Amino acid sequence: AQSVTQLDSHVSVSEGTPVLLRCNYSSSYSPSLFWYVQHPNKGLQLLLKYTSAATLVKGINGFEAEFKKSETSFHLTKPSAHMSDAAEYFCVVSYNFNKFYFGSGTKLNVKP
Amino acid sequence: DAGITQSPRYKITETGRQVTLMCHQTWSHSYMFWYRQDLGHGLRLIYYSAAADITDKGEVPDGYVVSRSKTENFPLTLESATRSQTSVYFCASSDRTTSGNEQFFGPGTRLTVL
Repeated sequence: AQSVTQLDSHVSVSEGTPVLLRCNYSSSYSPSLFWYVQHPNKGLQLLLKYTSAATLVKGINGFEAEFKKSETSFHLTKPSAHMSDAAEYFCVVSYNFNKFYFGSGTKLNVKP
Repeated sequence: DAGITQSPRYKITETGRQVTLMCHQTWSHSYMFWYRQDLGHGLRLIYYSAAADITDKGEVPDGYVVSRSKTENFPLTLESATRSQTSVYFCASSDRTTSGNEQFFGPGTRLTVL
């Protein structure tokens, strides 16, 4: 069965320090991978996506993620956290156009 | 404005009543999806549709009915609402493109069943 694991349910960082949100997937196929962000009481917004082009993907708001096939990982990073980054982040894997598998989410807290 | 919209945004109903949540997209995307979001469960797929008149069950379809007579609309009906269906419901759409098949989400409907 396909699955997505977000290794941390909560991450807390100080403003200005790096952010690392971890995501691993299980698959025998080449997936499309996405990170979405959800601010409180809002919908989900696409941060970035990997679709078999460059393995290092740059997204909005300074976020980026690296696809590592050998590790089946797609970790999300940002060099310097901002208070506005506080939100919940979802890693999503897709193997075709009608199957999307969501991780359980990581809540990012940014301390001043 | 173009995009994906949901209505109502907030709904309170009583156990046993029928409720319909509306979803409308203006991109002519082929695929549309309904998810529910509950604490501790993330997003779970209720139903999806690959095109008009083509729908299929997701992970948690029981108690829900969908239809898709037009490409742009994908209503979700709770035939007899139960308290366990209190949740936030998100509609999404996607399509086959050369740049990927990401989903675009609506703003959500917060449903409370008393």
